[in-house]
Formats: sequence, structure tokens, C-alpha cells
Amino acid sequence: GQQLNQSPQSMFIQEGEDVSMNCTSSSIFNTWLWYKQEPGEGPVLLIALYKAGELTSNGRLTAQFGITRKDSFLNISASIPSDVGIYFCAGQGNAGNMLTFGGGTRLMVKP
Amino acid sequence: EAQVTQNPRYLITVTGKKLTVTCSQNMNHEYMSWYRQDPGLGLRQIYYSMNVEVTDKGDVPEGYKVSRKEKRNFPLILESPSPNQTSLYFCASRRLDRSTGELFFGEGSRLTVL
Repeated sequence: GQQLNQSPQSMFIQEGEDVSMNCTSSSIFNTWLWYKQEPGEGPVLLIALYKAGELTSNGRLTAQFGITRKDSFLNISASIPSDVGIYFCAGQGNAGNMLTFGGGTRLMVKP
Repeated sequence: EAQVTQNPRYLITVTGKKLTVTCSQNMNHEYMSWYRQDPGLGLRQIYYSMNVEVTDKGDVPEGYKVSRKEKRNFPLILESPSPNQTSLYFCASRRLDRSTGELFFGEGSRLTVL
């Protein structure tokens, strides 16, 4: 199947710092999504992107759909302890209804 | 409350002993799917279903079966579990007329096969 490279794999930051993570693909996607998974829970959708170049914010989170349609990034500004979790990017191409997920970025925030 | 419910949440079993992980959603969603989550590999799709009696293989279907006899239920069956099926499993659902991304996930089922 398609591969999504997500980086970094993990981040350990100080509360208040900004965070940036990204995903790249060898294939073009029509939709990019960012999910957050908290310990013991299933992933929850944070932001969905449907157009190349689209920049969307959700509170302190901002995500962009790359112009080439092969990448996306997620920024978190002024991190707080409850931002802790695993963040997943996911992309959907033309092949039916399948989503391809990145390997995840584990975020740890030190108070 | 709208939710996707999986059972059991935790299970330890032995090689070869058939098991079923149930999944039920109360949102009248047409689309349901199973994923497994392994460290560094993200979520990989096992099987999905776009409606009753319609199922298709995902990226990693080997060793699994599913059925969709009713709209709300989508059980995952491991006929003869093996240690490489030790993983965290998630069921998810969505409406067919919404974006693929707006999946609702269950809380996960952690399976250990000895």
C-alpha cells in the first residue's frame, strides 16, 4: 500500500514551546487529516484538509495541505500538558475509501 | 451518546484459540472498518465494510475475517490467532456521505497472543 512518512517520531518539549510535525508521501493525496490519540483512547479527528494549499486552524493548532499534495504539516502553538498524546497524519487518495496513516508522532510536554 | 463500542478491551489468549472482537456503533453509519496499531507503523487497515453484507480487504487482511450481517455490528474474527497478531485493534465508523477522514473510533482492544 501507500506509505506515509511522519516525523519526528517523538518530541519531548517544555510547556509553552511551539511544536511542528509533518508527513510526506510518494503519492498524491486528495485529503489530508490529522488525528490525536490520548492514552487508552481511540484517535480523534483534529483537522481535515481538502484542497492543495489549504491552511486551517483549530484553536492553537494549524495544519496545511501541501501544494504538491504530497505533504502536510501540523503546528501546535504554546503547548500545554494536555497536548500530550500521539498525533497521526492520514491521507486519502483516489483508491476508494481507504485512509493511509503515518507512523505517528508521540508528543510529551514537560510542565 | 454517539459511540463505537468494542469488546473485549483487553484479552490474553493462546496460539490457535479462535476469538472474536465485537464492534458496535449507534450512529447508523454505513461504513465500518478495523485497524491494527503497532509501534512505528501507525494504523493499518485490516478490513472495511461499506454496508450490510459488503466487505473488502484492507492493507493487512491475512489471518482475519469479518462479517457485516447488521448495520450496527462489525465483528473481527481471528480463526487461529498467532503471536504476530498481538496488537492494539481499533474499530471505526462513518457515514458514507461524509469525508473519508471523519472516522469515529472505538477505544481499542489490546490483544496478546502467547
